Amino acid sequence: AQTVTQSQPEMSVQEAETVTLSCTYDTSESDYYLFWYKQPPSRQMILVIRQEAYKQQNATENRFSVNFQKAAKSFSLKISDSQLGDAAMYFCACPYSGGGADGLTFGKGTHLIIQP
Amino acid sequence: EAGVAQSPRYKIIEKRQSVAFWCNPISGHATLYWYQQILGQGPKLLIQFQNNGVVDDSQLPKDRFSAERLKGVDSTLKIQPAKLEDSAVYLCASSLDGGEAFFGQGTRLTVV
Repeated sequence: AQTVTQSQPEMSVQEAETVTLSCTYDTSESDYYLFWYKQPPSRQMILVIRQEAYKQQNATENRFSVNFQKAAKSFSLKISDSQLGDAAMYFCACPYSGGGADGLTFGKGTHLIIQP
Repeated sequence: EAGVAQSPRYKIIEKRQSVAFWCNPISGHATLYWYQQILGQGPKLLIQFQNNGVVDDSQLPKDRFSAERLKGVDSTLKIQPAKLEDSAVYLCASSLDGGEAFFGQGTRLTVV
């Protein structure tokens, strides 16, 4: 069964500093995407970054980057130059493998606090 | 481009009552998902539609939950009868042929 583990229920960082959120996953898929989503208090899940598993190069989107270790099934998110607007719940997600569905299995999330 | 629309935003019902949630996906998106997000957890996939057909509903509690997507556009998720443990946020998402999923703002259900 697919599982996603986020071992940090909460992280706190000073504004302008760098923070890394951890995620490990398990999937039976051979070719897949991994995702980090942000969920602010408005509840809407917003895609932050995604990684194609067959690509060795780590994905980068402006201040957001990932460290993808396929063999270790590890997929961490690094946020550089943290901003107050980055405060939110962050969820890591891997493919949901059931009956041909291509939905996602999410971790329990990490609550990111930005200290001004 | 309009996003995924969901209604209502909030709903409070008593246990054993019924409730329905509505979702209007992004225009042209063939794939529609319903997720349940219990407080303190990540979203859990309940059901996936491809057009108006069900792709997977293995995690949908079918004794009380039902969902339909008539005409392959809007979708309705129903709970009857509701239990206390159904209190959660119900998120709808859509994608173009299984690509990036776009989420709505969800419906927060409280069962008392």
